[in-house]
Amino acid sequence: DARVTQTPRHKVTEMGQEVTMRCQPILGHNTVFWYRQTMMQGLELLAYFRNRAPLDDSGMPKDRFSAEMPDATLATLKIQPSEPRDSAVYFCASGLVRSKGLAVGYEQYFGPGTRLTVT
Amino acid sequence: DQQVKQNSPSLSVQEGRISILNCDYTNSMFDYFLWYKKYPAEGPTFLISISSIKDKNEDGRFTVFLNKSAKHLSLHIVPSQPGDSAVYFCAASGKGTYKYIFGTGTRLKVLA
Repeated sequence: DARVTQTPRHKVTEMGQEVTMRCQPILGHNTVFWYRQTMMQGLELLAYFRNRAPLDDSGMPKDRFSAEMPDATLATLKIQPSEPRDSAVYFCASGLVRSKGLAVGYEQYFGPGTRLTVT
Repeated sequence: DQQVKQNSPSLSVQEGRISILNCDYTNSMFDYFLWYKKYPAEGPTFLISISSIKDKNEDGRFTVFLNKSAKHLSLHIVPSQPGDSAVYFCAASGKGTYKYIFGTGTRLKVLA
């Protein structure tokens, strides 16, 4: 049963500390996404990768957030320094795009999320 | 600017009745639409999708309707069951892009 895994599931940290969230996409998937869920904004797209290359990170505050894919089995989202307004649930999702440029018939599979609380 | 809008934050329906969840979008370049369901402490899971070349797609108790002229889609659940109680997100994607734009979600509560 292939699924996206995320660690940690919960993280409580103090303002100013570095936070690293990790994601293992489904084996064989070639796109990876990071989302943030807040009450007001719903699911906000932060960044996404295709074949490990970053395609769009315009949803991220660049001064403190960074997203990387060091290899095909690991995606990371880092916040440094963290702030209380970063408190949210962060989801990773992966998908398989079979044809270049086509979104039809392509689904994203979500991990269980990391609940981040910054005090 | 919210390109995908779910204007009803919550909805309550009696078991056995129809649930209708609505979603509006502003970008006429969107050509693929999806609904995801989310239970507490879990990630969203794919429910049903529709391409812009269709106006209806059905899967068991779930039907999605697309009205392109109104830029509106809806999800019908018939009959509604208590297990359907969850947050439902609609999402849209444009041609040539892999990213989805999600709405803010509607919390459905099906009363037994």
